[in-house]
Amino acid sequence: DTGVSQDPRHKITKRGQNVTFRCDPISEHNRLYWYRQTLGQGPEFLTYFQNEAQLEKSRLLSDRFSAERPKGSFSTLEIQRTEQGDSAMYLCASSFPTTSGGADTQYFGPGTRLTVL
Amino acid sequence: AQSVTQLDSQVPVFEEAPVELRCNYSSSVSVYLFWYVQYPNQGLQLLLKYLSGSTLVESINGFEAEFNKSQTSFHLRKPSVHISDTAEYFCAVIALEGSTDKLIFGTGTRLQVFP
Repeated sequence: DTGVSQDPRHKITKRGQNVTFRCDPISEHNRLYWYRQTLGQGPEFLTYFQNEAQLEKSRLLSDRFSAERPKGSFSTLEIQRTEQGDSAMYLCASSFPTTSGGADTQYFGPGTRLTVL
Repeated sequence: AQSVTQLDSQVPVFEEAPVELRCNYSSSVSVYLFWYVQYPNQGLQLLLKYLSGSTLVESINGFEAEFNKSQTSFHLRKPSVHISDTAEYFCAVIALEGSTDKLIFGTGTRLQVFP
């Protein structure tokens, strides 16, 4: 169990370019979440996968954003035509359903910091 | 909809002093409550959570939080802080309705412990 990993850790891009981030969850975690954190704010939910199915998308996720989890393992988050307002830390978390009920603990990766110039 | 308010953006405190980080939430449905901690240059880590049962929950490093339903609060406390507790602390909730288990976070409180 090496924890949730994210790649790259930092990304600097010019406005209008496309970027793609990768998240590798803890193995056997079937639930995967993407959050976005801007300076001075708490993380905000973007989208959620259970296995390969994307079950919920936030209204924050405009049509320039797309997320996939093709085989129910790693996930990618792509931002097309980046804007300066997309600059943020993008966090990935994973969890595994508990048998005792209640909310699963979400384990977070270190994040990808995006800077759009 | 749910929301979380952390009233203090920064809390400076001297080492070995007690500390309380305040968290209030708003929700029309029952919620689970969490505190996450983010140490410098590290990812978010779960500190403690309240799902049901005893309203007082504790972490392994001496923090505790008490769920107060009437005041819709989940304040985090530690009787004696250490330099190593310096970090950003986030309060969060999950609504019991729905199936997503998405976390709704507050804006965070930066705890700065001075020697």
